[in-house]
Amino acid sequence: AQSVTQPDIHITVSEGASLELRCNYSYGATPYLFWYVQSPGQGLQLLLKYFSGDTLVQGIKGFEAEFKRSQSSFNLRKPSVHWSDAAEYFCAVGEGYGNKLVFGAGTILRVKS
Amino acid sequence: GAVVSQHPSRVICKSGTSVKIECRSLDFQATTMFWYRQFPKQSLMLMATSNEGSKATYEQGVEKDKFLINHASLTLSTLTVTSAHPEDSSFYICSAAHPGTSGHEQYFGPGTRLTVT
Repeated sequence: AQSVTQPDIHITVSEGASLELRCNYSYGATPYLFWYVQSPGQGLQLLLKYFSGDTLVQGIKGFEAEFKRSQSSFNLRKPSVHWSDAAEYFCAVGEGYGNKLVFGAGTILRVKS
Repeated sequence: GAVVSQHPSRVICKSGTSVKIECRSLDFQATTMFWYRQFPKQSLMLMATSNEGSKATYEQGVEKDKFLINHASLTLSTLTVTSAHPEDSSFYICSAAHPGTSGHEQYFGPGTRLTVT
């Protein structure tokens, strides 16, 4: 069965500092991987996705993620965090085209000024 | 483009009553929609997959007679929580798979906060 692990429940970074959110997955085949962001009381917005090809994926809002098959990881990065990035971030793995997603537990990002 | 709406955004109901939540894809047709439940400070848990014109597929442990799902058109899926109880209070989020995107990407609605008193 698929599973997603986000080892960090909370992360606090200073505004302007770099950010890396960790995500590890367990899946038998080539995974479809996603990062979503959720602001309080809101739905989810897709930041980026990986299906195949280049393992470094660029997303919206200056985010990127790198797929590393050998480490079963898909970590999210941003070189300089803005206060508006404070939110909860979810990594998810999908079974394929339009199929169900399995989400990690989420990482709450706090940005201090 | 690719907007999914949910209605209502918040609902409070009394224990024992039923509540219907609507999920609409506003600018695309979705043969597949998904319903998730999110408890406070927890992740999203898939409840069921809703397929237009057929019965929904429920995840293990989800009571299909309690959480009725209807996907009567390519732009609308509804979730009815029947005989609601306080433990059904939660944040319900739907998503719709967009057939025009690579991998039929899912677009999420803003969620519905259900409180059962």
